[in-house]
Amino acid sequence: EAGVTQFPSHSVIEKGQTVTLRCDPISGHDNLYWYRRVMGKEIKFLLHFVKESKQDESGMPNNRFLAERTGGTYSTLKVQPAELEDSGVYFCASSLRSGDANEKLFFGSGTQLSVL
Amino acid sequence: EDQVTQSPEALRLQEGESSSLNCSYTVSGLRGLFWYRQDPGKGPEFLFTLYSAGEEKEKERLKATLTKKESFLHITAPKPEDSATYLCAVHLYSSASKIIFGSGTRLSIRP
Repeated sequence: EAGVTQFPSHSVIEKGQTVTLRCDPISGHDNLYWYRRVMGKEIKFLLHFVKESKQDESGMPNNRFLAERTGGTYSTLKVQPAELEDSGVYFCASSLRSGDANEKLFFGSGTQLSVL
Repeated sequence: EDQVTQSPEALRLQEGESSSLNCSYTVSGLRGLFWYRQDPGKGPEFLFTLYSAGEEKEKERLKATLTKKESFLHITAPKPEDSATYLCAVHLYSSASKIIFGSGTRLSIRP
């Protein structure tokens, strides 16, 4: 069974440019999450989709970030325009159930974003 | 403010030398506590979930325990392949969606 797939694995862009990250969750997983780790900090929650609906986007840092999940399958996270402080590793995770302490998240390998 | 603190930041052990990693938490309404393992260039990989004080879970050389204020990940007779960053995370009743991660402990096992 394929795991969570993220693309690209690395992205280097200049400040002010736009970048779109993609995540393909495990087939059948309705829940999709975005997390990120900026330099020297903990992994932090960005948002959560249940199918195509945003369940919680309280972790999105500002309106330069836009996440979508078309048809409840793959998800994209767009940063426009990118700023230096957006550099970090962006992780996607998926799970079968939501709101359950039993929940086990499956993470992708992440996209390393560098904004120069 | 909800907080998860892991110690030590880094730990170097000789193969076979047992030790423990600590995760202390100050949160309101703990729903569950997770341990994840992360290898370089990879995402976190789930190890355990603990729900209540006194609970223990085991997997190979790893054993996780939980009290009302902290969790320990005990590593018995570690091998070089146990080298990784170990992350603790909490799931709270106040949010169905997010889990809060600690900063992790980088474990290195020398042969």
